[in-house]
Amino acid sequence: EAGVAQSPRYKIIEKRQSVAFWCNPISGHATLYWYQQILGQGPKLLIQFQNNGVVDDSQLPKDRFSAERLKGVDSTLKIQPAKLEDSAVYLCASSSFNQGALQTQYFGPGTRLLVL
Amino acid sequence: AQSVSQHNHHVILSEAASLELGCNYSYGGTVNLFWYVQYPGQHLQLLLKYFSGDPLVKGIKGFEAEFIKSKFSFNLRKPSVQWSDTAEYFCAVNPRFKAAGNKLTFGGGTRVLVKP
Repeated sequence: EAGVAQSPRYKIIEKRQSVAFWCNPISGHATLYWYQQILGQGPKLLIQFQNNGVVDDSQLPKDRFSAERLKGVDSTLKIQPAKLEDSAVYLCASSSFNQGALQTQYFGPGTRLLVL
Repeated sequence: AQSVSQHNHHVILSEAASLELGCNYSYGGTVNLFWYVQYPGQHLQLLLKYFSGDPLVKGIKGFEAEFIKSKFSFNLRKPSVQWSDTAEYFCAVNPRFKAAGNKLTFGGGTRVLVKP
């Protein structure tokens, strides 16, 4: 079974530029998550999708971050404009959906972003 | 909002030594608990999880964790570590109510270095 795929693996941009990250979840996984992991900290959930709908985006800085999952499969996370403090690893995870039962999240390799 | 504390940021030990990593969470209700591991250059992987039942949970690679509800703790243990256990370990919590969905709150992580 193929895992969660993410691209690019690394990205260096200057502040105020825009950047986009792509994620392809495990086949059949209805739920997709984007996490931000700042150096020295644990991952923090930015947004959670159930199919193509947003379940939780309470910690997404909506003035600069946006995410979509138009067809309920792969997803894109965008930052525009980027700030220095956005330097982090952006992790994508996916899980299957079973109402009332917690499903294990499977993580991708992450995209390491450096904002100069 | 719930939070997760991991007491040690860095642990250095020799092969065959015993390992115990502390994890405490702050949430008054019922929770699901997880330990994830990230080996150098690899993505986050699930080590073990607790949903209910026996509070002593066994995971992969000889790891186990004990849920002590009265102490809000979920400490990870391994009786005898190997060099290959060098990794960063993350504790995570999911509050068990419907609105929480599958949301995970992670601790800050503990970097473990096992000297050969």
